Amino acid sequence: NAGVTQTPKFRVLKTGQSMTLLCAQDMNHEYMYWYRQDPGMGLRLIHYSVGEGTTAKGEVPDGYNVSRLKKQNFLLGLESAAPSQTSVYFCASSPLLSGQTEAFFGQGTRLTVV
Amino acid sequence: KQEVTQIPAALSVPEGENLVLNCSFTDSAIYNLQWFRQDPGKGLTSLLLIQSSQREQTSGRLNASLDKSSGRSTLYIAASQPGDSATYLCAVFSSGYALNFGKGTSLLVTP
Repeated sequence: NAGVTQTPKFRVLKTGQSMTLLCAQDMNHEYMYWYRQDPGMGLRLIHYSVGEGTTAKGEVPDGYNVSRLKKQNFLLGLESAAPSQTSVYFCASSPLLSGQTEAFFGQGTRLTVV
Repeated sequence: KQEVTQIPAALSVPEGENLVLNCSFTDSAIYNLQWFRQDPGKGLTSLLLIQSSQREQTSGRLNASLDKSSGRSTLYIAASQPGDSATYLCAVFSSGYALNFGKGTSLLVTP
């Protein structure tokens, strides 16, 4: 019963380096999301996807790219990391946009950019 | 844009007390509202989901209510325990396909 799995759990990057965060869900959910969580700011939506092959910008998309080539995977890329991207990143998924929708979250990726 | 506010930001209570956490939102056109728990350094665990047509949901010692017209929800925790210490997050699912979160209430239950 894996649910939502994020890889890696921790990472330290140097400014300017690139990396990809992987989110995998085994619940056949249509919707997937990437959030970042910063002290005093709460969770903010970076990008989201409403189905395989689709992506859309959220509240804070600058500096990030995403891809959803397979329904179960949602990738978040940082092309040129900046210290301002130091944060905890959470992936989530949900089955449908309706009153029944319940979001499930991964355990987070703690990223530090030095 | 949907704005979600949680009051208080932090709360400390002695074990055994009943307590109420508050959540308010600016746009009443929501699909549902969800309460989460987050332990330090961990992910989010869903506690209760209230659909827009419902008034409340209960799970064990937790009871969440929803007044959509006034844009408010409360999470009631009965007979609090030290193990309830965590941050509680309120999130609403409205237009835009994603959850909008409050900043959370940090709860400490002391023995």
